[in-house]
Amino acid sequence: KQEVTQIPAALSVPEGENLVLNCSFTDSAIYNLQWFRQDPGKGLTSLLLIQSSQREQTSGRLNASLDKSSGRSTLYIAASQPGDSATYLCAVRLSGGTSYGKLTFGQGTILTVHP
Amino acid sequence: NAGVTQTPKFRVLKTGQSMTLLCAQDMNHEYMYWYRQDPGMGLRLIHYSVGEGTTAKGEVPDGYNVSRLKKQNFLLGLESAAPSQTSVYFCASSYSPETMRFRPLAGNSTDTQYFGPGTRLTVL
Repeated sequence: KQEVTQIPAALSVPEGENLVLNCSFTDSAIYNLQWFRQDPGKGLTSLLLIQSSQREQTSGRLNASLDKSSGRSTLYIAASQPGDSATYLCAVRLSGGTSYGKLTFGQGTILTVHP
Repeated sequence: NAGVTQTPKFRVLKTGQSMTLLCAQDMNHEYMYWYRQDPGMGLRLIHYSVGEGTTAKGEVPDGYNVSRLKKQNFLLGLESAAPSQTSVYFCASSYSPETMRFRPLAGNSTDTQYFGPGTRLTVL
């Protein structure tokens, strides 16, 4: 059974810092890995999706890397801003025709960026 | 496009009552999912559907039933609510791999799940 773990559970940083969120998974037979953002009381918004054949994806100040063989992904946020405060969730999709796109989520990292 | 919508947004039930949560999507997605989110547990899959008229169990299906009579709608039912079902429920939808084969230039955005805003359910 796929298990996804995110470290740290919570992170508080001053504005402007570069930071790294970590995600690990136990089954390396993944189809892709996604990072989501969740604001309090809201749904999930996809930030970055990395296919199993890719090593990284970038969007603005966000960069996500994937090391499938070691079962790890990192989300790098450059020059953090108070507006980045949210919960960040990592999710993996297993490969195989019977996975039907199902995602396994980590518990999330609660990020607070203070001015 | 409204994307994925969920009704209601909030609901309070007494133990033993029943209710149905409605999810609707206007993106013509084949796959639809129901998750629950509890503190410290992340999101866990309850049931999912790979097409109209089909449903399947996820990780935590007990106490829930689902139906997908129309492609755009996915209903989650609680026949006899229990306090353990107090949670936030999220619906999501996505394209099937068969559909994505015809969208090779659309990039990673077609391969993601789109989530609704959630329904906060409290069972007393």
